[in-house]
Amino acid sequence: RKEVEQDPGPFNVPEGATVAFNCTYSNSASQSFFWYRQDCRKEPKLLMSVYSSGNEDGRFTAQLNRASQYISLLIRDSKLSDSATYLCVVLYNQGGKLIFGQGTELSVKP
Amino acid sequence: GAVVSQHPSWVICKSGTSVKIECRSLDFQATTMFWYRQFPKQSLMLMATSNEGSKATYEQGVEKDKFLINHASLTLSTLTVTSAHPEDSSFYICSARGVGRGRGWNTEAFFGQGTRLTVV
Repeated sequence: RKEVEQDPGPFNVPEGATVAFNCTYSNSASQSFFWYRQDCRKEPKLLMSVYSSGNEDGRFTAQLNRASQYISLLIRDSKLSDSATYLCVVLYNQGGKLIFGQGTELSVKP
Repeated sequence: GAVVSQHPSWVICKSGTSVKIECRSLDFQATTMFWYRQFPKQSLMLMATSNEGSKATYEQGVEKDKFLINHASLTLSTLTVTSAHPEDSSFYICSARGVGRGRGWNTEAFFGQGTRLTVV
């Protein structure tokens, strides 16, 4: 079983749609959680951290359920510029390693 | 955010040669650097973790004699792919976390721009 697993993609949605990504992690010792965005042939960039209380940043909402070891990302009112691969990332207490999920590709169409 | 510079951004080399990739933190002290590899349509796979002044810790399945990592200073880590073969062709990315400006373990990791290695 992979340490961090994400929804298989790709997700093809029209502009303005709401899309949700899910992620599960296997190591209960995981400390912190993030969503990163990666554009084709570029390095990942931090989109947002994920907190137990849930957090929102504009059109993006992230949720964490530690009991279920589950993380989600909701994107409302999708824009063409949201097209990218979204990576669920877990930080381990041990050594501070960032472990990446396989990524979910999002394609927003006009 | 902090800046991590990775060089070169792309390299083509002949099979059997060695390639060195540099990762520099430009405005903070990188106490820990991570090296990842990404094959097309796949996620980033952690290869190794290096702490300044000590030996790197390699992930299972990564050959330490093939992928030499040096983290001799707080601003520079290098990855050398020795005796490269076509199957080593991949996108290599470094990531740095460190101290300075209040950063700690659970703060953002900053990524280099990545190096696309093609072995022919």
